Amino acid sequence: DAGITQSPRHKVTETGTPVTLRCHQTENHRYMYWYRQDPGHGLRLIHYSYGVKDTDKGEVSDGYSVSRSKTEDFLLTLESATSSQTSVYFCAILGQLNEQYFGPGTRLTVT
Amino acid sequence: AQSVSQHNHHVILSEAASLELGCNYSYGGTVNLFWYVQYPGQHLQLLLKYFSGDPLVKGIKGFEAEFIKSKFSFNLRKPSVQWSDTAEYFCAVNEPEGTYKYIFGTGTRLKVLA
Repeated sequence: DAGITQSPRHKVTETGTPVTLRCHQTENHRYMYWYRQDPGHGLRLIHYSYGVKDTDKGEVSDGYSVSRSKTEDFLLTLESATSSQTSVYFCAILGQLNEQYFGPGTRLTVT
Repeated sequence: AQSVSQHNHHVILSEAASLELGCNYSYGGTVNLFWYVQYPGQHLQLLLKYFSGDPLVKGIKGFEAEFIKSKFSFNLRKPSVQWSDTAEYFCAVNEPEGTYKYIFGTGTRLKVLA
């Protein structure tokens, strides 16, 4: 299961508040990803990381920032949450055979 | 930039029917192609992948996919579906130029009637 955990698993927050989601992996994988999943849109890449302190934007990065200070942790921050950021957020890692393994997801509701 | 199209958004089949889900991508260079499945309330799991070699790829649970380079397609097939195959299916392809970024299709929601 690639040892990926996400926290929190569910969160309800108010518009304008900051939110940080955490992805933790235990197998020392170099690449980590944050996606959001919305009906009709599939999975869309927000940001990804190719090493400690090395990150890059995905197709829907506006309003999100990330940090990776340790190999095992990849944090996604919504600086000021908006209702359009209500979604299910999945973290993923890139396995040794270039396939992705996904975490269990975080359901975020912004009211 | 790469794009991925899944033309079937919702598919309803009876058990034992054959399944084919379409996936087309836009970039014609070297591609890595994937099908993932998401069962209700769960995360995505890898069904199968194609990197090179035999264009007919076999995956888990009796699924297979065929890479047709001339058609930019990677369609998923299963000869006989089961009720337990009810799920959402996503096609994915890498961005070109050897990056490790992946683009996902919008998904096909499959419902199998018992």
